Amino acid sequence: QKEVEQNSGPLSVPEGAIASLNCTYSDRGSQSFFWYRQYSGKSPELIMFIYSNGDKEDGRFTAQLNKASQYVSLLIRDSQPSDSATYLCAVNPFFQNFVFGPGTRLSVLP
Amino acid sequence: GAVVSQHPSRVICKSGTSVKIECRSLDFQATTMFWYRQFPKQSLMLMATSNEGSKATYEQGVEKDKFLINHASLTLSTLTVTSAHPEDSSFYICSPLMEVQRSGANVLTFGAGSRLTVL
Repeated sequence: QKEVEQNSGPLSVPEGAIASLNCTYSDRGSQSFFWYRQYSGKSPELIMFIYSNGDKEDGRFTAQLNKASQYVSLLIRDSQPSDSATYLCAVNPFFQNFVFGPGTRLSVLP
Repeated sequence: GAVVSQHPSRVICKSGTSVKIECRSLDFQATTMFWYRQFPKQSLMLMATSNEGSKATYEQGVEKDKFLINHASLTLSTLTVTSAHPEDSSFYICSPLMEVQRSGANVLTFGAGSRLTVL
């Protein structure tokens, strides 16, 4: 059973703080890793993806991947109330369907 | 890139009728299309995977005769909910797979979703 695990939250951070979202996965054959944001009642939207060990930065977002530990994280710097949403971690095992985690609900308090 | 158009965004129908949901990738071609369903406050649930020109592969527990998927072209896929019942009320989301140039990665994109309410 290929699994992706996330803390369901809610994770509450004050405005301006760094939000840290974590994800672990079970399939060592996983090749690509994705973070999606989903607002209530809306469909998911891609924030970023990463497939090499290390950090990848895009604006206020940084994805971190450690394949040896089977761990991927998303850091959101200078968190804003508009960042309040559910963040979905998705993993793409080689030649297989994407597997989504249950999502972490983030609440940024003004 | 990665513009996906999904229609209708909302539909209300009577029990027993059929509803067709259309999904188009406007600026890329999608060989593979996923269809998800999401009930309130629950996770995304994969319903089926379709490849252009082939029959869809359905997840366990999803009735292929009830949820008809057509993926006739690289830019268009449809999901038809046949003989809909109130328990089919849900948020249906199409997800075309997009190849990101030069990276070799495939990225899941999403339509805006279709909220179906069956009375």
